[in-house]
Amino acid sequence: QQQVKQSPQSLIVQKGGISIINCAYENTAFDYFPWYQQFPGKGPALLIAIRPDVSEKKEGRFTISFNKSAKQFSLHIMDSQPGDSATYFCAAGRAGNKLTFGGGTRVLVKP
Amino acid sequence: GAGVSQSPSNKVTEKGKDVELRCDPISGHTALYWYRQSLGQGLEFLIYFQGNSAPDKSGLPSDRFSAERTGGSVSTLTIQRTQQEDSAVYLCASSPRGAGESRETQYFGPGTRLLVL
Repeated sequence: QQQVKQSPQSLIVQKGGISIINCAYENTAFDYFPWYQQFPGKGPALLIAIRPDVSEKKEGRFTISFNKSAKQFSLHIMDSQPGDSATYFCAAGRAGNKLTFGGGTRVLVKP
Repeated sequence: GAGVSQSPSNKVTEKGKDVELRCDPISGHTALYWYRQSLGQGLEFLIYFQGNSAPDKSGLPSDRFSAERTGGSVSTLTIQRTQQEDSAVYLCASSPRGAGESRETQYFGPGTRLLVL
């Protein structure tokens, strides 16, 4: 199975709040888990990525948590800002190979 | 530096016509990917080129879809006898050769928005 399931489909958060997006994968051969941010009319841009040898990775206000045994990973956006309003995609794959993407989460940060 | 570029940015065509979509990857990137994004959906893998290796065509939805990469650089995705269900944004990405995380990062172009009437 190659599916990556992402939830929720959309979320609304107040400025300063925490946005949490969850993903689950099935293929245990996957060893690379990136998150992409996409603004309307633009291509996706890499936000942060993690390998399965660590359980958490933080870059600024963005944190990935990874649970290998549960085959789940999540993105936390701390202190959410209106400029974070975008669609976020999780993905999974073998490093240096094609990616399988989740269905996306549309995040709206209200000022 | 220049990122991944794609052309045209928008394409409207009639059902049954053939279309060609072009991708110029970042200079020096050896891997090139095509994905399709339907309205409000996630990205669907289509095809992957890596250096001189045979391409991974496992995501192509039908034999109407084909792609080539000339000289290890520019790639063209061709859709023959287009159907309305082919309407989507076609995204190209490239990634560099190298060790570690740099070779994993896929850099996306802005996409070509295809509308089949």
